[in-house]
Amino acid sequence: GAVVSQHPSRVICKSGTSVKIECRSLDFQATTMFWYRQFPKQSLMLMATSNEGSKATYEQGVEKDKFLINHASLTLSTLTVTSAHPEDSSFYICSARPAQGVWGDEQFFGPGTRLTVL
Amino acid sequence: QKEVEQNSGPLSVPEGAIASLNCTYSDRGSQSFFWYRQYSGKSPELIMFIYSNGDKEDGRFTAQLNKASQYVSLLIRDSQPSDSATYLCALIKAAGNKLTFGGGTRVLVKP
Repeated sequence: GAVVSQHPSRVICKSGTSVKIECRSLDFQATTMFWYRQFPKQSLMLMATSNEGSKATYEQGVEKDKFLINHASLTLSTLTVTSAHPEDSSFYICSARPAQGVWGDEQFFGPGTRLTVL
Repeated sequence: QKEVEQNSGPLSVPEGAIASLNCTYSDRGSQSFFWYRQYSGKSPELIMFIYSNGDKEDGRFTAQLNKASQYVSLLIRDSQPSDSATYLCALIKAAGNKLTFGGGTRVLVKP
C-alpha cells in the first residue's frame, strides 16, 4: 500500500514551453500533497504544499505564477511549470500524506520527474 | 544554523560492519523524525520513522532519538553494498505537516 505515481518520469522541452507533471496516490486518499525540487548533489527543497480543494501554499522564493499547482481530487495533484527555462531543469518529486488510517505523519514519495529544458 | 544538519560524508563502511549516521536539529519542538534512503537518480524511500525518545529497531536498522540533546541517529547493521546511498534525515516541526530535510549523508559500503 501507500503507492504514489508520477507522470511523466522524464520530459525534455524547449525553452518557453509549459510542462505539466501529475502526481497520483494510487491506493489511498491524500488530503495533502507536497511538491519538491532537487538539484544535483543537493537535498530536497519544498516548493509548495497542496491541499485538496484549496489554493497551494508556496514556500518563500517560489514563484506561484510560474509553478502552478492544482489539487483537484484526493488522489491527484498537478504541477505545471509555465514558460520553462533551462534554470528550471531539475528533478521534481511529489509526496502524499494519507488522509487517515494507520499512518501517522508519514509522507510517501512519487518516483520523480526529470525535467530538462533546452 | 541549519534546521537539520547532517555530515555530508561520504561515510565509508566495510561490508558487514555497522554504519552510524547522525542528525541534529534546531527546533526543540519537533515531533516526528524520519530517515529516508535515496539512490542516485531516484526519489527518497522511507526507512524508518520515530516519534518517541529511545531506540526503534526494524530489521537491520535502528533509529535512536534523543529530544533533550536534539539528535536522531540511524544505525545500519551488517551493511551491504546495496546500502550504498544517500540517507536523508527529516523532521516535522510542532503543529506542522511539512518535512524539513537535512542535506543527507552519503554512505559507501565497500565489499
